[in-house]
Amino acid sequence: GQNIDQPTEMTATEGAIVQINCTYQTSGFNGLFWYQQHAGEAPTFLSYNVLDGLEEKGRFSSFLSRSKGYSYLLLKELQMKDSASYLCAGETETGANNLFFGTGTRLTVIP
Amino acid sequence: NAGVTQTPKFQVLKTGQSMTLQCAQDMNHEYMSWYRQDPGMGLRLIHYSVGAGITDQGEVPNGYNVSRSTTEDFPLRLLSAAPSQTSVYFCASSYTGNTEAFFGQGTRLTVV
Repeated sequence: GQNIDQPTEMTATEGAIVQINCTYQTSGFNGLFWYQQHAGEAPTFLSYNVLDGLEEKGRFSSFLSRSKGYSYLLLKELQMKDSASYLCAGETETGANNLFFGTGTRLTVIP
Repeated sequence: NAGVTQTPKFQVLKTGQSMTLQCAQDMNHEYMSWYRQDPGMGLRLIHYSVGAGITDQGEVPNGYNVSRSTTEDFPLRLLSAAPSQTSVYFCASSYTGNTEAFFGQGTRLTVV
């Protein structure tokens, strides 16, 4: 079956860099998404990786290794507003953009 | 541009009642889906649609029905509400596969 693992909680300091890891079974996913979800709000898209390597988008970068079933989200120059849950999600092979989510990593940024 | 709109935002139901959660998008997206989010669990797919007239089951479809008569609307029906259906429900849409999904603001449902 499908499975995605990511840490439950992380804490980091304002201005620092934090890496949120995500591991998954190597079969069954077309690509890997990262979403951000503030408490009580809807998830919003951060990044998508379908090929191995690093995708950079401003302060956020995402990495994928398909052979290792491993991805990470890198957040630089942390700001207080980055306190949120970060959801790793695999795109299933239904061809319908269906997502299989991990449980999410709650990041707390402290001054 | 409203994006994905869900109604209602909050709802309390009694066990056995039925209701429909509404979802509408104005981005002309073909793909729409419903997820539920429970504490300690990831979002789980309930039903999805790849276009008007086409629906299919996701991971947790039992107790829910959907229809897709238009591209814009994708309502989720709870047939006979149970306490286990207490959750936050999110509707999402996307243009096609391998693309960003846009989520509605969610419906927080409590079944007592």
